[in-house]
Amino acid sequence: DQQVKQNSPSLSVQEGRISILNCDYTNSMFDYFLWYKKYPAEGPTFLISISSIKDKNEDGRFTVFLNKSAKHLSLHIVPSQPGDSAVYFCAASEVAGGTSYGKLTFGQGTILTVHP
Amino acid sequence: GAGVSQTPSNKVTEKGKYVELRCDPISGHTALYWYRQSLGQGPEFLIYFQGTGAADDSGLPNDRFFAVRPEGSVSTLKIQRTERGDSAVYLCASSLWGGSKNIQYFGAGTRLSVL
Repeated sequence: DQQVKQNSPSLSVQEGRISILNCDYTNSMFDYFLWYKKYPAEGPTFLISISSIKDKNEDGRFTVFLNKSAKHLSLHIVPSQPGDSAVYFCAASEVAGGTSYGKLTFGQGTILTVHP
Repeated sequence: GAGVSQTPSNKVTEKGKYVELRCDPISGHTALYWYRQSLGQGPEFLIYFQGTGAADDSGLPNDRFFAVRPEGSVSTLKIQRTERGDSAVYLCASSLWGGSKNIQYFGAGTRLSVL
């Protein structure tokens, strides 16, 4: 069962516009959510995270929104730049003190292409 | 080095052979994770080490897969009697400590191809 889903395999936006990447999850034990960016032949690079006690976290051009009731999170990139073109993964980990030890459950990824 | 280092970057082997994949985590990180990423998918958890011990190996697909971290730093993922279905990118990540709300830092991975 896919506990974290990214339903859009790809997204194409124009430079300067907003990119919105979406992620849905089913496991109500998830309490920490992260976005990773991945370039070809490199490992995933941490981008931004959010705890379940918050509904928004912002870092420069990147903002993550969390809607717990809908079990949905999104990553907003504004303005988008050509260097943002990469695969973006949504990931989640379970509550502290549980037996998950912080292991991450990833979505399938969304390929973002930002056109100049 | 400053980041997580994985060697080799590429490994080609024949079906039935034994392979070892190495991970050198960020210095001082006590938690180490192995993931496997198949084409078109996100990384999938394999095993987690806290120090020298495997605290959670629930993601290992079968008993052909084994991992060690004897001194609490470098880890080796070992695959016996490789099968074509084992072909994937094997990613290692480390974090300062285990548990939720920790940031995991990934290596570039080892691309394993089983012919």
